[in-house]
Amino acid sequence: DAGITQSPRHKVTETGTPVTLRCHQTENHRYMYWYRQDPGHGLRLIHYSYGVKDTDKGEVSDGYSVSRSKTEDFLLTLESATSSQTSVYFCAISDPARRENQFFGPGTRLTVL
Amino acid sequence: GQQLNQSPQSMFIQEGEDVSMNCTSSSIFNTWLWYKQDPGEGPVLLIALYKAGELTSNGRLTAQFGITRKDSFLNISASIPSDVGIYFCAHSNFGNEKLTFGTGTRLTIIP
Repeated sequence: DAGITQSPRHKVTETGTPVTLRCHQTENHRYMYWYRQDPGHGLRLIHYSYGVKDTDKGEVSDGYSVSRSKTEDFLLTLESATSSQTSVYFCAISDPARRENQFFGPGTRLTVL
Repeated sequence: GQQLNQSPQSMFIQEGEDVSMNCTSSSIFNTWLWYKQDPGEGPVLLIALYKAGELTSNGRLTAQFGITRKDSFLNISASIPSDVGIYFCAHSNFGNEKLTFGTGTRLTIIP
């Protein structure tokens, strides 16, 4: 199994509060990704990173920001959480040689009340 | 974004049966991937396909990259209880990190 951990694994928060999710990898992979998974939508890319301080937007980036100050950590921040951001969030990593072969973490279930 | 249709949405089968599922896209891609997700876990890559017409196996699983480059198929032979889960297809272009996922096929095995 790829060495990917996510924290927290579960979180309940209230509308309007800031939330930060953390992804940590021990594989030293350059590429890291944040997805959200919702019923009927599969997985959708929020943001990804191709190196320290290098990030780009995905399909559903509105309302989310990311930061990567170290190779091993990729943070996803919801500046002001909304109920539509209730979802399961997955982090993934990939090797530059096969960027499309992505390995996923265990997920974080976020509920915004 | 690209349309990626995965079918069926769900399947209820008996142990030992064969399973077939497929994905179709509105556009051409040169990489197709199949993932499986167990309850409470992240998806795990099963098979990657890079060439039109390619047929690749992983144990009892066989996936094919359609010759039109707009579709892909996954077959599971002689299903067993541990095959239960959600199967996702995904596509991209080679070297492109942005994957588009299908909506998934939920496989349930009836006792």
